[in-house]
Amino acid sequence: SAVISQKPSRDICQRGTSLTIQCQVDSQVTMMFWYRQQPGQSLTLIATANQGSEATYESGFVIDKFPISRPNLTFSTLTVSNMSPEDSSIYLCSVLLPPGVGNQPQHFGDGTRLSIL
Amino acid sequence: DAKTTQPPSMDCAEGRAANLPCNHSTISGNEYVYWYRQIHSQGPQYIIHGLKNNETNEMASLIITEDRKSSTLILPHATLRDTAVYYCIVREASRLGAGNKLTFGGGTRVLVKP
Repeated sequence: SAVISQKPSRDICQRGTSLTIQCQVDSQVTMMFWYRQQPGQSLTLIATANQGSEATYESGFVIDKFPISRPNLTFSTLTVSNMSPEDSSIYLCSVLLPPGVGNQPQHFGDGTRLSIL
Repeated sequence: DAKTTQPPSMDCAEGRAANLPCNHSTISGNEYVYWYRQIHSQGPQYIIHGLKNNETNEMASLIITEDRKSSTLILPHATLRDTAVYYCIVREASRLGAGNKLTFGGGTRVLVKP
């Protein structure tokens, strides 16, 4: 497996502001994903972070609200823009290790717990 | 939508085997069954996965019925640290991209009691 580090681990933010969450992996990975877990709920995929190109967003999520970067094979960021209390959630990064095909499982970081006041 | 159905909660006795059921009656031929668990304040932890044969690793065993419409995750000797939400997920595993999406259902909240 790999060590997946997310920063910050938690934050409390004011509404209307934006926060960028970082995901750093200790080895090169094939794919990186961002999930959201709202309070008391299960995980929902926000987008697939593609290296060197625009992320692929799931239905209900848009780039203006959740811009994503992935400049290399070990790092990605998710920005939560113009935050409102409804954005209070845990945001999780997951990765697919090489070779990234077949039946390999994804591995998750411990998430960023975000509260919006 | 998740393609699996799990009981919302179950209690297990410490030291006993915990058997967690999952129904996936619409699973297709190229979809694997994956199990993850999420301990409080942590990200989901991968446990095990399988296609049609039973699988075992250091954490658990996975029993898949012959028709593949259901499976059971077995924790052989449950400990208090196994208290978590357990997710059963089916996923196509043949290619990169959208096929790697994990769709989480509600999971089973397992409480291991002394």
